[in-house]
Amino acid sequence: GNSVTQMEGPVTLSEEAFLTINCTYTATGYPSLFWYVQYPGEGLQLLLKATKADDKGSNKGFEATYRKETTSFHLEKGSVQVSDSAVYFCALSSGTDSWGKLQFGAGTQVVVTP
Amino acid sequence: GAGVSQTPSNKVTEKGKYVELRCDPISGHTALYWYRQSLGQGPEFLIYFQGTGAADDSGLPNDRFFAVRPEGSVSTLKIQRTERGDSAVYLCASARGANTGELFFGEGSRLTVL
Repeated sequence: GNSVTQMEGPVTLSEEAFLTINCTYTATGYPSLFWYVQYPGEGLQLLLKATKADDKGSNKGFEATYRKETTSFHLEKGSVQVSDSAVYFCALSSGTDSWGKLQFGAGTQVVVTP
Repeated sequence: GAGVSQTPSNKVTEKGKYVELRCDPISGHTALYWYRQSLGQGPEFLIYFQGTGAADDSGLPNDRFFAVRPEGSVSTLKIQRTERGDSAVYLCASARGANTGELFFGEGSRLTVL
């Protein structure tokens, strides 16, 4: 079956540091890939997505590239802010079911200190 | 409000009791999803509705769990004979359609079974 593996947290960084959160997946066919973010006290929200190989999703300074050859979708940001402190979830949609039927990774907590 | 609303935000019950959790999606969204998130894990898919009908209930763990959406808007997740293992945060999400690529999540209902 489909699965998503992401790096364990917490990841603690200083403001303006470079952030990478690794995500790899196992899936049959051609999944769509997503990063969702959960800020403290808020619901999950979509950060970015990519629907086919070599697509790059980007939003709020974050980027992730759909790498089919390495089955990865790593999240990066060049200079984090305290406001980026949150839990980040990598997820995939199989493409054969509804896009909203997602397989999530376990989440990675990111803590950015001033 | 404009977002997905879930009630109650917190529910504590005793083993064996019946529980209902309510989700009020964004107006006009035809697709509605229920997920369950255990501590330290990513959300796990339970069921999704397209309109009034359950299009995919493959994630419901057993027949103690049931969900309805009688008028194609508000949905209720019902859990009979609750067990301690049912303790989790139950998340609801809605989308404009089944294949629009973005889910809008509520803040969740935290269920604790004593």
